Amino acid sequence: EVQLEQSGAEVKKPGESLKISCKGFGDSFTNSVIGWVRQMPGKGLEWMGVVYPADSDTTYSPSFQGRVTISADKSINTAYLQWSSLKASDTAIYYCAAALPTYAFHIWGQGTMVSVSS
Amino acid sequence: QSALTQPPSASGSPGQSVTISCTGSTSDIGDYNYVSWYQQHPGKAPKLMIYEVNKRPSGVPDRFSGSKSGNTASLTVSGLQAEDEADYYCSSYGSGNNFKVFGGGTKLTV
Repeated sequence: EVQLEQSGAEVKKPGESLKISCKGFGDSFTNSVIGWVRQMPGKGLEWMGVVYPADSDTTYSPSFQGRVTISADKSINTAYLQWSSLKASDTAIYYCAAALPTYAFHIWGQGTMVSVSS
Repeated sequence: QSALTQPPSASGSPGQSVTISCTGSTSDIGDYNYVSWYQQHPGKAPKLMIYEVNKRPSGVPDRFSGSKSGNTASLTVSGLQAEDEADYYCSSYGSGNNFKVFGGGTKLTV
């Protein structure tokens, strides 16, 4: 069973770029579906999108399409979430998670806190 | 993209049962048996409690059960324990733009 380890907390300024990572350990990372979930301070979970590491195919929520880029490098069992120009409203905890074939996220990373402030 | 609708709060005393509802539409809950439920304690990552409407992952107590009727899914926690106090989120696969959505979350107080 895959385990997920996310990169550390980030403090950035508006307009800066950022790429956070989610490394998979164990079997089946390449054959998994890896998703990203946002949780703004004191708020609920928001499904951002998924990547299929086997072929790097992606699906985005309409709410996040064009605002972030999700990718994966199967050679190093790592998925990524990146921004080209951060906004203060991107301040949140971002979780990566591995999905079952029926789309339930059964394995979660520990979360990456992203703080954006001038 | 609309989220699934959950009550903001629910409560029960130790040993009692509580049911949390999750209302969607014919494009998600009503048309697919891909409803999942997550538990989140403060400062922790979410944990999968129920998938495919009523299946429990290994290690989840059988006090947790799921069901679905029409466009509404439900999570029932029986024999409430103090450790069940947490936020609970439903989620469903959906067609079109509602590929995958979460509910707004329910804070369960024991």
